[in-house]
Amino acid sequence: GDSVTQMEGPVTLSEEAFLTINCTYTATGYPSLFWYVQYPGEGLQLLLKATKADDKGSNKGFEATYRKETTSFHLEKGSVQVSDSAVYFCALSDQTGTYKYIFGTGTRLKVLA
Amino acid sequence: DTGVSQDPRHKITKRGQNVTFRCDPISEHNRLYWYRQTLGQGPEFLTYFQNEAQLEKSRLLSDRFSAERPKGSFSTLEIQRTEQGDSAMYLCASSLAGTRFTDTQYFGPGTRLTVL
Repeated sequence: GDSVTQMEGPVTLSEEAFLTINCTYTATGYPSLFWYVQYPGEGLQLLLKATKADDKGSNKGFEATYRKETTSFHLEKGSVQVSDSAVYFCALSDQTGTYKYIFGTGTRLKVLA
Repeated sequence: DTGVSQDPRHKITKRGQNVTFRCDPISEHNRLYWYRQTLGQGPEFLTYFQNEAQLEKSRLLSDRFSAERPKGSFSTLEIQRTEQGDSAMYLCASSLAGTRFTDTQYFGPGTRLTVL
């Protein structure tokens, strides 16, 4: 079945450092790919999405490119802030008509001032 | 657009009791999803509705779980005879099917269930 694999956390960075969180997927067909962010005590917020190969999703300085050849959707940000500290989830939307999400296990990011 | 809301935000119950959670989706959204998230894991799909019809249920949804969406608006998730293994965050999400945003889900804040 479909699956999503994310790099294990926690990831600890200093403010203004470069961030990469790796995400790879296994799926039949061509799923849409998503990054969601979860702040402590809150639900998931959509960060960005991409719906087809070579699409780049971007939002709030975060970017991710849909790479079909490597089945990857790595999240990047050039300069992180303390306020980016959260758990980040990579997900795919199954294409069977349900559009249910398959999530990775999440990567906790901690940014130090 | 007030977003997806869930009630209660927290629920503590004793093993064997029944609990019910409510989800109010974004008003024009016709799809509603339930997920369960345990500590340190990503959310897992439980079930979903298109309008009032429940179209798919995960194997995770045992006979003790039941979900409804009367009139295609709010939804309830009931767990009967709760077990300690039911302790988790229960997340609700909604989307607008039939548009180019069909696959984009918006999540509520979740209901955290603790079974003692």
